[in-house]
Amino acid sequence: EIVLTQSPGTLSLSPGERVTLSCRASQSITSGYLAWYQQKPGQAPRLLMFGASNRATGIPDRFSGSGSGTDFTLAISRLEPGDFALYYCQQYDTAPWTFGQGTKLEIK
Amino acid sequence: QVQLVQSGSEVRKPGSAVKISCKASGGSFNGYSINWVRQAPGQGLEWMGDIVPVFAIPNYAQKFQGRVTITLDESTSTAYMELTSLRSEDTAVYFCARDYSVKAPFFEFWGQGTLVTVSS
Repeated sequence: EIVLTQSPGTLSLSPGERVTLSCRASQSITSGYLAWYQQKPGQAPRLLMFGASNRATGIPDRFSGSGSGTDFTLAISRLEPGDFALYYCQQYDTAPWTFGQGTKLEIK
Repeated sequence: QVQLVQSGSEVRKPGSAVKISCKASGGSFNGYSINWVRQAPGQGLEWMGDIVPVFAIPNYAQKFQGRVTITLDESTSTAYMELTSLRSEDTAVYFCARDYSVKAPFFEFWGQGTLVTVSS
């Protein structure tokens, strides 16, 4: 199965800053079949991005995704208080669909 | 807008089984696969398997083969996930989630989650 490794594990930042989250795959993900989710405590994950760089419905353009092959990135510009949460990447190139272990974005 | 509503929390003893439901309100599954994803306390997300409506063909992650059964009742727009031979490591929140579209197995619509606690 494809293993996704997210880094860093935790990021401490302040509102207004820009952040970049990394997701690295153990083998190449064709056609950019990678999604990103945001999860807050006690809630289900929320789809942010799919196809590596496509924003889901209602996701502001402060969120952007990029990457190909084995290296993917989620960037968030101008962090807002509601952005501090857990972020997961997920590949849907090869079953079983797998998720990264997550990056926690916390307020500094 | 599709809403997925799951059954309530469960407590089970080791060795027993649990069956969780996921009902689509506001519409059917619309032919899109329903997936089950679990999250152990403080841990990440783990895909368990899915089922394709119309054909009712389940697919399971190898880790859960032999212990998980995913079924679908299209007449009531309800999917079920049964996990047997429970052990303490199965304590987790179990989510159902619908494929974004046909052959697009990422998840825009999620159930609210069902906490399963396995304890003697």
